[in-house]
Amino acid sequence: KQEVTQIPAALSVPEGENLVLNCSFTDSAIYNLQWFRQDPGKGLTSLLLIQSSQREQTSGRLNASLDKSSGRSTLYIAASQPGDSATYLCAVRREAYNNNDMRFGAGTRLTVKP
Amino acid sequence: GAGVSQSPSNKVTEKGKDVELRCDPISGHTALYWYRQSLGQGLEFLIYFQGNSAPDKSGLPSDRFSAERTGGSVSTLTIQRTQQEDSAVYLCASSPYASSYNEQFFGPGTRLTVL
Repeated sequence: KQEVTQIPAALSVPEGENLVLNCSFTDSAIYNLQWFRQDPGKGLTSLLLIQSSQREQTSGRLNASLDKSSGRSTLYIAASQPGDSATYLCAVRREAYNNNDMRFGAGTRLTVKP
Repeated sequence: GAGVSQSPSNKVTEKGKDVELRCDPISGHTALYWYRQSLGQGLEFLIYFQGNSAPDKSGLPSDRFSAERTGGSVSTLTIQRTQQEDSAVYLCASSPYASSYNEQFFGPGTRLTVL
């Protein structure tokens, strides 16, 4: 059974710092891995999706990497801003066409202090 | 365009009462999912609807939980005889059937508190 773990559970940094969020998964046979952002009272917003054949994806100040063999992904946030404060979730999908097979981590709650 | 909407945003109920949670998916999306997010836990899959096919109910935690989707659009998740452990945020998501990687678009959730 796939288990997804995110460390740390919470992180507080001053504005401007670069930071890394970690996601690990126990079964390396994945189809893709996705990073989401969740703001209080709002749903999840997809940030980056990495297919199993890819090693990283970039969007603006965000960079996500994937190392399937070691069962790890990192989300790198450059020059953090107070608006980045949110909970960040990673999710892995095992199969392309099994729509109920996404497994989520518990998330990392990020606070960026001005 | 309009995203996934859910109602109510918050629901407080007494133990033993029944509750209904509603999800309006994005227009045209044929797939609809319900998840439960308990405090400090990851999202837990509950049920999945795809078009007119029979729903995948494999994630429902007990027979107190049920869901229906009328006309391939709006969905209602019903919890009967609520228990305190049912307290959680219930998230709904929809996705287009033909999406290349079936990206799911999430609603804001319903926070359920069972006293």
